[in-house]
Amino acid sequence: QVQLQESGPGLVKPSQTLSLTCTVSGGSVSSGNYYWNWIRQPAGKELEWIGRIYNGGSTNYNPSLESRVTISGDTSKNQFSLKLTSVIAADTAVYYCARTAHTIFGVVTFDFWGQGILVTVSS
Amino acid sequence: DIQMTQSPSSLSASVGDRVTITCRSSQNINIYLNWYQQKPGKAPKLLIYAASRLQSGVPSRFSGSGSGTDFTLTISRLQPEDFATYYCQQSYSTPLYTFGQGTKLEIK
Repeated sequence: QVQLQESGPGLVKPSQTLSLTCTVSGGSVSSGNYYWNWIRQPAGKELEWIGRIYNGGSTNYNPSLESRVTISGDTSKNQFSLKLTSVIAADTAVYYCARTAHTIFGVVTFDFWGQGILVTVSS
Repeated sequence: DIQMTQSPSSLSASVGDRVTITCRSSQNINIYLNWYQQKPGKAPKLLIYAASRLQSGVPSRFSGSGSGTDFTLTISRLQPEDFATYYCQQSYSTPLYTFGQGTKLEIK
């Protein structure tokens, strides 16, 4: 069973950098069959896809956040990380890491998720 | 971006009821549509993928239908554990995945 666990500071000051790590067990972040994603959810709002890493280092980002986001991987620790620079209050959210997989129909699903971590941007 | 619009935003129902939630996409997404259930303080859980395929381990009272731009999630006989928020998600424009705004299902 694949498990994901987010970790990092729960409070970040405005204009600083938010840094989170996702530790994966039961699966490999270097596997070419899966993609490793970050998603966030502000309180009471919908889920927003932030970006993903795959094949050990290739990345894609949501264009709305691309200028501030970096996702990287550490295959030796089976982890991947999120950095979001110049944060503002609107970046306050629960941040999830999740795996995506292709089904036999070609549809991509978020099939395993971490429990989520609340990050508050405040001075 | 492909916009996903769910209706209703909230819904009150009783145990044993049949409920239907609708999701509409801003453009044709074929069957590239998934449904998730989220309970307070928990991560979303995949229920239905490819519009109508039941994820392993999900009770058969959940079903999905639709293609193109209009989709539905139906729960045939509500159980107490089904009261949660439901989201649709498209993967047609991979990797720019987008979710609906959610439908909160509450006990009447």
